[in-house]
Amino acid sequence: QVQLKETGPDLVQLTQTLSITCTVSGFSLTTYNVHWVRQPPGKGLEWMGAMWNGGGTDYNSAFKSRLSISRDTSKSQVFLKMNSLQTDDTAKYFCARRKGSGYFDYWGQGVMVTVSS
Amino acid sequence: AIVLNQSPSSIIASQGEKVTITCRASSSISSNYLHWYQQKPGAFPKLVIYSTSYRASGVPSRFSGSGSGTSYSFTISRVEAEDVATYYCQQGSSNPYTFGAGTKLELK
Repeated sequence: QVQLKETGPDLVQLTQTLSITCTVSGFSLTTYNVHWVRQPPGKGLEWMGAMWNGGGTDYNSAFKSRLSISRDTSKSQVFLKMNSLQTDDTAKYFCARRKGSGYFDYWGQGVMVTVSS
Repeated sequence: AIVLNQSPSSIIASQGEKVTITCRASSSISSNYLHWYQQKPGAFPKLVIYSTSYRASGVPSRFSGSGSGTSYSFTISRVEAEDVATYYCQQGSSNPYTFGAGTKLELK
């Protein structure tokens, strides 16, 4: 069955780099798109960026050049890297599978990341 | 960026009551690209309605959606206790693929 699972650190130091891995199963990264969405504690959902099935990427300009998304199709993994972390980057980070009309039909459980000074 | 204005921000309803949430987009969206999610505390968002009016797999028929252009709505015909959650609209039309701010549904 379709599954996505995020793995990453619980705690990242201020100004450091966040790295999260989304490991998928039940579908191919060359067929489906995987996106990243985050949610600060008690707040709403924010779309961050996309890994398209063809290997291209898209980013929310709100993250300027801090964000990078890549993949390893042989391992069924999508990677998020974001540098220069600030305290307002404290959030739960989700990866999700996107379908054609832009909806997210499967999500990972998310990983809660705290940025500490 | 397309801004989605969701209202109300919170609803207190009785079991069996009908509730409606509105999502207004800052520019017109094809109805194919407007979707709704349910999120319970501590959980990931769950797709409820896609492409304005199609229920996702396993979603009860009391959930429905409608709309076009810049105005969309989401309705629970008879609220049940298990529906307590925060509901979000989302547009998949253009980058950034934005979400509404959410509507928190509580039971009276």
